[in-house]
Amino acid sequence: EVQLLESGGGLLQPGGSLRLSCAASGFTFSTYALSWVRQAPGKGLEWVSSISGSGGSTYYADSVKGRFTISRDNSKSTLYLQMNSLTAEDTAVYYCAKGPGKYVVYHLDVWGQGTTVTVSS
Amino acid sequence: QSALTQPASVSGSPGQSITISCTGTSSDIGRYNYVSWYQQHPGKAPKLMIYDVTNRPSGVSNRFSGSKSGNTASLTISGLQAEDEADYYCSSYTSSPSVIFGGGTKLTVL
Repeated sequence: EVQLLESGGGLLQPGGSLRLSCAASGFTFSTYALSWVRQAPGKGLEWVSSISGSGGSTYYADSVKGRFTISRDNSKSTLYLQMNSLTAEDTAVYYCAKGPGKYVVYHLDVWGQGTTVTVSS
Repeated sequence: QSALTQPASVSGSPGQSITISCTGTSSDIGRYNYVSWYQQHPGKAPKLMIYDVTNRPSGVSNRFSGSKSGNTASLTISGLQAEDEADYYCSSYTSSPSVIFGGGTKLTVL
């Protein structure tokens, strides 16, 4: 069974940093692009970032560009999101999700259960 | 880039059919046949229901169907059931490359 399991969420102060992880199982990790999608409390889904299967290509939403870094360790079947300079607007449930192919995410066919990030003073 | 436009809410009675619209631009929905739809129940992760405008993943009921005309995509649910009550989000691939979502539609089964 294909599974994604996020971890690393928590409560932190504005300006802080956090690294999210997403452990994958049930598929050949390196052959699929992956994404992070977030959902603020009571709000809709917002795409955050995507990374190709090799990790050589990365893409970011304008709202996080320069502050967040997506990466992956294919030897550990794990996706990461390093988040710096956090603000209250980054408060959300963060989901990792799998694309259908290696290079570009056209849709997201498997989602993790999400991890909650709360930025508050 | 602005989110795709969806109605905030739709409703229908059991057994009826409903359609949710999703309006984008010539840079996303109008340009690519990569529209997808997601169902999200409260407190749960989204679930892919339709991809590439009309395709259903394995295990998704054939009561769910998708279509597209110009810059607008649609999700139709026929034979409404109580378990269909959820939030529905459309999404489109855009040239960045990235993915853009709609604001979401709350479906109420009366």
